Amino acid sequence: GEDVEQSLFLSVREGDSSVINCTYTDSSSTYLYWYKQEPGAGLQLLTYIFSNMDMKQDQRLTVLLNKKDKHLSLRIADTQTGDSAIYFCAEGDNNAGNMLTFGGGTRLMVKP
Amino acid sequence: DAMVIQNPRYQVTQFGKPVTLSCSQTLNHNVMYWYQQKSSQAPKLLFHYYDKDFNNEADTPDNFQSRRPNTSFCFLDIRSPGLGDAAMYLCATSRQGTLKQFFGPGTRLTVL
Repeated sequence: GEDVEQSLFLSVREGDSSVINCTYTDSSSTYLYWYKQEPGAGLQLLTYIFSNMDMKQDQRLTVLLNKKDKHLSLRIADTQTGDSAIYFCAEGDNNAGNMLTFGGGTRLMVKP
Repeated sequence: DAMVIQNPRYQVTQFGKPVTLSCSQTLNHNVMYWYQQKSSQAPKLLFHYYDKDFNNEADTPDNFQSRRPNTSFCFLDIRSPGLGDAAMYLCATSRQGTLKQFFGPGTRLTVL
């Protein structure tokens, strides 16, 4: 079945950029998503990218997609302490129903 | 604001005592999902509904049941909770034909 992998942990200093990486195996992924989860809360959709794009920018967030290598990244510019959370990458295939496959999540810690 | 609401946010039950978690949505989405999430792991899909059409994941235990009386509401029933069922339970919705899922804040279940 499909698999989505993320590194477990990332630590950065406030004001630096953060880059969270994700790899996936499903070559027919249609959309790829980034969700943010703060402690004790649900998942908040941050941004997403269609598979025929290679970059999407939304304020401090930049998503890069390398479809050939099946690699997705989320860059957060000027990282703030409020960005500390777990970030989940997810992929879905429009032709396979409404299901998403989630990665295991990357815990981002931002130090003041 | 259109949203996904889960009640209660925290639920404590005793081993073997049935418990019901509820989810409601004002997005008028026809697909609803229940996920189980343990200890900062990826959310694990338990089941989902396309309108009233129920779809169970193959590895969802029989102990877990669901009801969807109308478009807006969906319930998760745990018939005989075990210690291993302690987790965060997340409800999500989407519009059929799209992959973007919107999550509620979750219900954290504790089993004593």
